[in-house]
Amino acid sequence: NAGVMQNPRHLVRRRGQEARLRCSPMKGHSHVYWYRQLPEEGLKFMVYLQKENIIDESGMPKERFSAEFPKEGPSILRIQQVVRGDSAAYFCASSPRLAGPYEQYFGPGTRLTVT
Amino acid sequence: QQQVKQSPQSLIVQKGGISIINCAYENTAFDYFPWYQQFPGKGPALLIAIRPDVSEKKEGRFTISFNKSAKQFSLHIMDSQPGDSATYFCAAIQGGSEKLVFGKGTKLTVNP
Repeated sequence: NAGVMQNPRHLVRRRGQEARLRCSPMKGHSHVYWYRQLPEEGLKFMVYLQKENIIDESGMPKERFSAEFPKEGPSILRIQQVVRGDSAAYFCASSPRLAGPYEQYFGPGTRLTVT
Repeated sequence: QQQVKQSPQSLIVQKGGISIINCAYENTAFDYFPWYQQFPGKGPALLIAIRPDVSEKKEGRFTISFNKSAKQFSLHIMDSQPGDSATYFCAAIQGGSEKLVFGKGTKLTVNP
């Protein structure tokens, strides 16, 4: 059973460009979470999605950031007009949520560098 | 406001020694406390987790100790090995929530 897959693994964008990060959850998992990790920091929750629904986006910046998890295909985290402060590692996690959300399995992350 | 405080920031242990990492929390609504291990360039991997109705959980060389009254929990790595060198994160999640709240991490180095 393949783990959570994320691509690209590394992404370089210039200020003002758009960044698209993709996440394919583990097989059988229909719940996806996005976290951001700044250097020397722990992970910070951004958004929780189920298929075609955003359930909790309380950790998402109000502007420029959006996320989706369509019926078919991977979950996408989109950052418009990137700024240097967006440089971070972005991790996706998925959960089978059979008995609660607690077991979240993380992908390898996408390391975004904004130049 | 940091909801989960983790210490130390870094830790150096000799091979065969015991590594101890501590975390403290304020939110009494937290009801699940996992530990994650992260190697450089990789995503966090779930290591072991505990609920507040037990005081200790052991899996192999890894043990979580939980003190509900003190709102503290710790990870003990027995017989530490160089392959254990990684960054360890404690986390907590509140019942009814979907958000893991992470500590800032402890970089563990186990010298041969």
